Amino acid sequence: KAGVTQTPRYLIKTRGQQVTLSCSPISGHRSVSWYQQTPGQGLQFLFEYFSETQRNKGNFPGRFSGRQFSNSRSEMNVSTLELGDSALYLCASSHGGYNEQFFGPGTRLTVL
Amino acid sequence: GQQVMQIPQYQHVQEGEDFTTYCNSSTTLSNIQWYKQRPGGHPVFLIQLVKSGEVKKQKRLTFQFGEAKKNSSLHITATQTTDVGTYFCAGPDSNYQLIWGAGTKLIIKP
Repeated sequence: KAGVTQTPRYLIKTRGQQVTLSCSPISGHRSVSWYQQTPGQGLQFLFEYFSETQRNKGNFPGRFSGRQFSNSRSEMNVSTLELGDSALYLCASSHGGYNEQFFGPGTRLTVL
Repeated sequence: GQQVMQIPQYQHVQEGEDFTTYCNSSTTLSNIQWYKQRPGGHPVFLIQLVKSGEVKKQKRLTFQFGEAKKNSSLHITATQTTDVGTYFCAGPDSNYQLIWGAGTKLIIKP
């Protein structure tokens, strides 16, 4: 079956702008988690959505938000971009947030 | 809150040498998962351990889950260039959310 897809793969924005990233999970998976990864850093958990509800949230400012649609596709939005938001944003789908995670290829965001 | 500590942060080895990374949780885990992220890639699931004292092998990789279910290790025998990458452990917290270790980067010395 098809894997997790993320669009766009690369994005360049300037400070103050906002951005929306998209994630399509594996068919049948109802959980989508989002992570931020910066060079040399581990995986920083942003939030998890399950059946259109945010179940868990990491320690990120309110500028980071997300949502999930009825077909389990998820979007993540970052408003008022800062230079420090430059990172690889990964989404992962699973049957539940604590089960085996299937990661997408990520969206590399550069903020200038 | 619950933490998963992973050491070392980096390990440089000569090809053919062994490699080990360790994870320690502040609380008992119901299971622990291991992932590998190749340079420029995304994390890929390797294995899940559930039972106390469990040992699982995948070719040259050996995974162990401690008796108290608070620690785990991944050992690679006779490393090859294909083993290069960052290895992460992760375990669920009381809210059933995965808590991730910081990862151990395996570097093969030229």
